[in-house]
Amino acid sequence: AQSVTQLGSHVSVSEGALVLLRCNYSSSVPPYLFWYVQYPNQGLQLLLKYTTGATLVKGINGFEAEFKKSETSFHLTKPSAHMSDAAEYFCAVLRSGAGSYQLTFGKGTKLSVIP
Amino acid sequence: KAGVTQTPRYLIKTRGQQVTLSCSPISGHRSVSWYQQTPGQGLQFLFEYFSETQRNKGNFPGRFSGRQFSNSRSEMNVSTLELGDSALYLCASSTTGDYGYTFGSGTRLTVV
Repeated sequence: AQSVTQLGSHVSVSEGALVLLRCNYSSSVPPYLFWYVQYPNQGLQLLLKYTTGATLVKGINGFEAEFKKSETSFHLTKPSAHMSDAAEYFCAVLRSGAGSYQLTFGKGTKLSVIP
Repeated sequence: KAGVTQTPRYLIKTRGQQVTLSCSPISGHRSVSWYQQTPGQGLQFLFEYFSETQRNKGNFPGRFSGRQFSNSRSEMNVSTLELGDSALYLCASSTTGDYGYTFGSGTRLTVV
């Protein structure tokens, strides 16, 4: 079974500091991995995704993530935090089987940015 | 290009009632999935539809059902509402499902 673990339900960083949100996955097959962001009272917005190819994936708003198969990780980073980055972030793995697809999400990490 | 549209945005229902939520996917997207989001359980998969057929269903009771129309629009229905059904219900669409989904803004259901 595929699953996702996000380390840290709440992360605080200072404005301008590095953002690092951790995600580890378990999967018996090469995974498709995603990071989504959710602002209060909103749906999920796709930040970036890894399917195949280059292991360093660049997304929107200056975020990027690196797929590391040996560590089963897909951590999200941003060099310099901005106040507008304060939101909840979800890592997800795409499960497929019998012609169907579903996302399995981690519990989420709430990012606070301190001015 | 219009995004995924969910209606209504907010809904208040009484225990025992039933509710229908609507989702219009991005034009050309044939796969529609539904997720329930609660503070305690997080994001949980409800079901996925593709070309009017339910391809997959999550671990939810039979009170939760859905359907997809020929224009790919989807509805989900919850009958005999319970307090625990209070949640944000998110709809997501994709071309075929295999490269991830675009989500709508959700319907906030409150059961009182």
